[in-house]
Amino acid sequence: NAGVTQTPKFQVLKTGQSMTLQCAQDMNHNSMYWYRQDPGMGLRLIYYSASEGTTDKGEVPNGYNVSRLNKREFSLRLESAAPSQTSVYFCASRVTGGGTGELFFGEGSRLTVL
Amino acid sequence: AQSVTQLGSHVSVSEGALVLLRCNYSSSVPPYLFWYVQYPNQGLQLLLKYTTGATLVKGINGFEAEFKKSETSFHLTKPSAHMSDAAEYFCAVSGDTGFQKLVFGTGTRLLVSP
Repeated sequence: NAGVTQTPKFQVLKTGQSMTLQCAQDMNHNSMYWYRQDPGMGLRLIYYSASEGTTDKGEVPNGYNVSRLNKREFSLRLESAAPSQTSVYFCASRVTGGGTGELFFGEGSRLTVL
Repeated sequence: AQSVTQLGSHVSVSEGALVLLRCNYSSSVPPYLFWYVQYPNQGLQLLLKYTTGATLVKGINGFEAEFKKSETSFHLTKPSAHMSDAAEYFCAVSGDTGFQKLVFGTGTRLLVSP
């Protein structure tokens, strides 16, 4: 009963390096999300995918790209990492169509950019 | 647009004391409201939610919240704090585009002393 799985859990990058955060869910949810969490700022939405084949920008999309690979997987890519992207990243998913909006979260990916 | 305000970034209580975490929301449509809890180094877990119907909502671990439309509030309470309740708590409201986006507050860290 895995739920939402994120990899890697920890990553250290140098400024300018690129990387991809992976997310997979096994709950057959249609919608998937990427949030970042920073102290004192709560969770801010980076990108989301309402269904397979669609993606939309959230509140803080600059510096990120996403891919909805299939219904299960939603990846977040940093093309040229910056220190301001040091954060904890959470992937989440939820049912659409008749659901109540509840999000299911992964355990987070802690990224440090030096 | 929807928004959430959580009063107090930190709340300290003694074990056995009443827990009260405040949340006020702004919404142009009838809101769906959520409380999530985050234990150290973990993802967010749903504590309780208000959708429609009864305005007093009971959640896990003895927590409850009351939806008060006239006060635009959804405060979280627990009659008697346990040491294990120490965590960060987030209030969230469904977005004005339905459930596609949840808007989170900045969080309240609950500290419980013996």
